[in-house]
Amino acid sequence: GAGVSQTPSNKVTEKGKYVELRCDPISGHTALYWYRQSLGQGPEFLIYFQGTGAADDSGLPNDRFFAVRPEGSVSTLKIQRTERGDSAVYLCASSLRSSAQETQYFGPGTRLLVL
Amino acid sequence: GDSVTQMEGPVTLSEEAFLTINCTYTATGYPSLFWYVQYPGEGLQLLLKATKADDKGSNKGFEATYRKETTSFHLEKGSVQVSDSAVYFCALISRRTGNQFYFGTGTSLTVIP
Repeated sequence: GAGVSQTPSNKVTEKGKYVELRCDPISGHTALYWYRQSLGQGPEFLIYFQGTGAADDSGLPNDRFFAVRPEGSVSTLKIQRTERGDSAVYLCASSLRSSAQETQYFGPGTRLLVL
Repeated sequence: GDSVTQMEGPVTLSEEAFLTINCTYTATGYPSLFWYVQYPGEGLQLLLKATKADDKGSNKGFEATYRKETTSFHLEKGSVQVSDSAVYFCALISRRTGNQFYFGTGTSLTVIP
């Protein structure tokens, strides 16, 4: 079946602009996660949704970052007033439910470049 | 806090050589442990996992054993192939929270013919 998809695959924007990154999880997966991967590093947790609600947003770096999942499926990560330091690959993952035993399936990522 | 430390790369091996990539962890309680692989130009893929002490995860000839006494989850393969060239990430999920991965920094492996 279809895996996790993310759009766009690449996004170039200018400093100060607003961007939205979209994630379509695997159908039926109730848990959805956003991670950020900087060059040469492992992914770092940003936020996790169980259903429609953000169950843990402790990884969001500051209030310029926000994410929603209004219908419990597709999620959008929103970044306001982008800065060059926001340049990274943003990864989305989903799992059937939130549990340490569940496998998280990752999307291909959105590569964001802030000029 | 929870964290993962893995062997720094890059690692270059000849085809059919033995591979070990070290991974140790720090966690409250007993986490689940994972190895993910990222092939060039592709997304992260689960390679193997172990959810409790002494479990051995295995896939595609790779193995890793969850060692509670040494807090380790080293990745091994007896005979690497060129197609194994990729970046390998060790990761854990806390049983307490069950919601976020803690990843290592990744180890780049290049296998030459």
